[in-house]
Amino acid sequence: GNSVTQMEGPVTLSEEAFLTINCTYTATGYPSLFWYVQYPGEGLQLLLKATKADDKGSNKGFEATYRKETTSFHLEKGSVQVSDSAVYFCALSDRAGGTSYGKLTFGQGTILTVHP
Amino acid sequence: GAGVSQSPSNKVTEKGKDVELRCDPISGHTALYWYRQSLGQGLEFLIYFQGNSAPDKSGLPSDRFSAERTGGSVSTLTIQRTQQEDSAVYLCASSRGGSGNTIYFGEGSWLTVV
Repeated sequence: GNSVTQMEGPVTLSEEAFLTINCTYTATGYPSLFWYVQYPGEGLQLLLKATKADDKGSNKGFEATYRKETTSFHLEKGSVQVSDSAVYFCALSDRAGGTSYGKLTFGQGTILTVHP
Repeated sequence: GAGVSQSPSNKVTEKGKDVELRCDPISGHTALYWYRQSLGQGLEFLIYFQGNSAPDKSGLPSDRFSAERTGGSVSTLTIQRTQQEDSAVYLCASSRGGSGNTIYFGEGSWLTVV
């Protein structure tokens, strides 16, 4: 079956530090990969996505590259801000196995706290 | 509407009571999903609708849980004879359907069973 594994948190950084949140996946087919973010008191929002190998998703200074050879989709940001404090979820949507729809399988989430 | 709308945003109910949670998806989105977010379990898929039919109900945890969708739009998730372990945030999401399309989430309905 499909699964997503994220680095365990919580992650605590100082403002302007470099961020990496690791994400690896297992899928039976050819998944699309996503990072969702949940800010305090808000719903899940799509941060970025990549639909095929070697694609790079980017948004708000965050980037992640779809690496099929290592089955990874690590999230990076060069300089975090206090406003980036949130829970980050890696997810995949698998097209194989007869599923033609976008059912998402999520990682467990990583709590990021950025201090001034 | 502009986004996925869910109601109620918060619900406290007594153990054994039935609850209904409502979702109004983004206009034109044919695919609708229900997920559950709880401490220790993360985000769990419950059910998927394409139009009014539910080809994937594999995530419903027991027969106390059911969902329907009418007119290809609004969906209702019903939990009968609620138990304390049902306490969670129930998230609804919608998309244009098809893998790779962005799935948009509502803000959730926070259910507390006392």
